[in-house]
Amino acid sequence: SQQGEEDPQALSIQEGENATMNCSYKTSINNLQWYRQNSGRGLVHLILIRSNEREKHSGRLRVTLDTSKKSSSLLITASRAADTASYFCATDPLNDYKLSFGAGTTVTVRA
Amino acid sequence: KAGVTQTPRYLIKTRGQQVTLSCSPISGHRSVSWYQQTPGQGLQFLFEYFSETQRNKGNFPGRFSGRQFSNSRSEMNVSTLELGDSALYLCASSLKGDRGANTEAFFGQGTRLTVV
Repeated sequence: SQQGEEDPQALSIQEGENATMNCSYKTSINNLQWYRQNSGRGLVHLILIRSNEREKHSGRLRVTLDTSKKSSSLLITASRAADTASYFCATDPLNDYKLSFGAGTTVTVRA
Repeated sequence: KAGVTQTPRYLIKTRGQQVTLSCSPISGHRSVSWYQQTPGQGLQFLFEYFSETQRNKGNFPGRFSGRQFSNSRSEMNVSTLELGDSALYLCASSLKGDRGANTEAFFGQGTRLTVV
């Protein structure tokens, strides 16, 4: 079973708008990571946030982490057509060597 | 520096056959993980190797096996293929040594396996 659950499953926005997706998880984590996947290809790492961090930025990406609620959010600002992809959160548990992935959010950016 | 390389990219096999997939990690990465991705089940963890030792295994039947060589290259094998094994198999490498290490995973492009 998957550790993370993502919401929404799909998102369609206009170019220039912001996209927000959420991830909830169940167990204690070392860190939480976000990945992007374009159309059935490999995953690309976007950002890693450690369990003792609350917010992190990377370019147009902003990630928050609330360990008390076991949830995270990914915000993509000023979206572009090239942001069209599936986005996955992955939790890195405290006492394990695997990443557990959520089901993903499919984002479509309309020109 | 070269990324993670998976071969072959595409494979079509018949039910009952076996298949071996290969993964070459990024130079210097000693951790290699394998994942199965299907539309219905999403990304499921198969196993993780570090310095030729399997450190973790997912919930898959014994038909799924893997190994890692001294140069960190890894292979996974699926025997007695079933239709449900059709999936994208992804390999990822990282520098992760200790459990608490905060390291990202670098993924290959995957091997698309179709079982007919």
